[in-house]
Amino acid sequence: KAGVTQTPRYLIKTRGQQVTLSCSPISGHRSVSWYQQTPGQGLQFLFEYFSETQRNKGNFPGRFSGRQFSNSRSEMNVSTLELGDSALYLCASSLKNTGELFFGEGSRLTVL
Amino acid sequence: GQQLNQSPQSMFIQEGEDVSMNCTSSSIFNTWLWYKQDPGEGPVLLIALYKAGELTSNGRLTAQFGITRKDSFLNISASIPSDVGIYFCAGQQGTNAGKSTFGDGTTLTVKP
Repeated sequence: KAGVTQTPRYLIKTRGQQVTLSCSPISGHRSVSWYQQTPGQGLQFLFEYFSETQRNKGNFPGRFSGRQFSNSRSEMNVSTLELGDSALYLCASSLKNTGELFFGEGSRLTVL
Repeated sequence: GQQLNQSPQSMFIQEGEDVSMNCTSSSIFNTWLWYKQDPGEGPVLLIALYKAGELTSNGRLTAQFGITRKDSFLNISASIPSDVGIYFCAGQQGTNAGKSTFGDGTTLTVKP
């Protein structure tokens, strides 16, 4: 069974640009969550999607947005990039409402 | 907001030694989870705990859900070099699968 797939793995952007990250969950998993991981703040919850609807949202500015498609694949977008947005963005999918998350390898974003 | 205090922040041990790490919170959680993250990878679920007082093992790993529902610990027995990595605790409130609060992690180094 294929795991969670995230693309791209690495990307470099400059301040003010926008970026779109993609996540394909494990087949059959309908919940997709996004987390930001930085050395200073650890793993921070961004948002969760279930059946194409945002079910939960973390404390991030409106520049961070996401969506989920009918096949459960998800994208997140960050607009007007800032230096502080440099981070590893992790996508996780879940089958049950038990908090058991299956993470992808992440997309490492560097903002210059 | 919710915060998980994970300790110790780092550990340097000899191969064969036992390891213990814990997580505490001022908030009650319904589920406690422990993850391990290797360099360049996303976190991988090790153990999930669903009931206060529950003690669960997974090979050389043992974790417990504190009776007050505000803490959890993870023990690793007879450590081996491949145990090296960052261990995260996570707590979940409610029934939404994707939203977990993570501790800051314990970095484990095992000397052969």
